[in-house]
Amino acid sequence: DGGITQSPKYLFRKEGQNVTLSCEQNLNHDAMYWYRQDPGQGLRLIYYSQIVNDFQKGDIAEGYSVSREKKESFPLTVTSAQKNPTAFYLCASSQGPYSYNEQFFGPGTRLTVL
Amino acid sequence: GENVEQHPSTLSVQEGDSAVIKCTYSDSASNYFPWYKQELGKGPQLIIDIRSNVGEKKDQRIAVTLNKTAKHFSLHITETQPEDSAVYFCAALFPGGGADGLTFGKGTHLIIQP
Repeated sequence: DGGITQSPKYLFRKEGQNVTLSCEQNLNHDAMYWYRQDPGQGLRLIYYSQIVNDFQKGDIAEGYSVSREKKESFPLTVTSAQKNPTAFYLCASSQGPYSYNEQFFGPGTRLTVL
Repeated sequence: GENVEQHPSTLSVQEGDSAVIKCTYSDSASNYFPWYKQELGKGPQLIIDIRSNVGEKKDQRIAVTLNKTAKHFSLHITETQPEDSAVYFCAALFPGGGADGLTFGKGTHLIIQP
């Protein structure tokens, strides 16, 4: 099956710890994205990557970091600098930017800071 | 940048009735408008989209209309069923906005009453 996967589904973190969320796609898509979802806030873009070894900050990048070493993988690290990290995190991919490409979303990871 | 307003935030309709969700956008250059459906605990899925050169598009019980002059677009669901209960997001794509050109509304929680 082609698709986009995220792991883990639920993640708990103590304050002051970094944590990495996994995102993998086998759709051969060039572009990948990370969104944060809070109740009543919609989807806010954290980082995006148009191609391997390249990524750009979105609207709320502070306290987060990413890497794009492989086309199929785009992990997100939530660092201790992120003031309010408890949220639902969504990864997405699309064939490429700058066009009418549908973004396919993963099932999400719910992060809770204890 | 683009700004997308979505109304209402919550919509409750009787099963079998129609539901309408409305969005407005700020940048007249936006040219692609997708609608996503998100079920509880899952990632959003594209249900219908429309491009700026089309005024209306229909897919079975779902339709989207676009008024470029007024800069608003709407999702129409007819003969609603219990499985239509979900959160719906509209979005607008600003060309040349890079991979972050897709701006989402804050979502509408649609509740289908039996």
